[in-house]
Amino acid sequence: QSALTQPASVSGSPGQSITISCTGTSSDVGGYNYVSWYQQYPGKAPKLMIYDVSKRPSGVSNRFSGSKSGSTASLTISGLQAEDEADYYCSSYTSISTWVFGGGTKLTVL
Amino acid sequence: QVQLQESGPGLVKPSGTLSLTCAVSGISVSNTNWWSWVRQPPGKGLEWIGEIFYSGSTNYNPSLKSRVTISVDKSKNQFSLKLSSVTAADTAVYYCARRVGATGRIDYWGQGTLVIVSS
Repeated sequence: QSALTQPASVSGSPGQSITISCTGTSSDVGGYNYVSWYQQYPGKAPKLMIYDVSKRPSGVSNRFSGSKSGSTASLTISGLQAEDEADYYCSSYTSISTWVFGGGTKLTVL
Repeated sequence: QVQLQESGPGLVKPSGTLSLTCAVSGISVSNTNWWSWVRQPPGKGLEWIGEIFYSGSTNYNPSLKSRVTISVDKSKNQFSLKLSSVTAADTAVYYCARRVGATGRIDYWGQGTLVIVSS
């Protein structure tokens, strides 16, 4: 199984909105509503931000939202804050009952 | 409060077997959850290794399937990972995690443990 495709890096200024894409195929992202997004700070474990495409766990800011169109999922962060600077990973269920991650995106807050 | 804690040798010799255990507290491994292993080579991205259901059903990453075994010990409320024939490419931080059944929600993670493969 191939890793999902994410941009290596994105950046934005405080207060702005940014979107991170996650592109797969009809055998993963396009075929199931099981896309999740994780935030990871250096040296720390990943933290769940979005699951099942657009659901937000309790305690996660409503500035984080998820969506999907075809085989591409997206994570949008609105009202960008300095604390949002981190690595972000998407993941998806696949047609062979496995899970696959994206390569990760480094978010820089300018 | 749900907590997961990885333990095991931090150094494994090439061609040897990597063995890690994840102790679970705050919830029973016999609940309807999937218990997962994810790894991250230094400076690289996350890689899903596999998962086990409380009943013993497993799913593995096809690229690792021939070398991986995940098991669950209900009496000790823990689950384990064995990865055989390791090479330097298996050097990584290994995380254990809980996925809620029938969702993609991996919501509880261990802190991770670094395993180095070297002679």
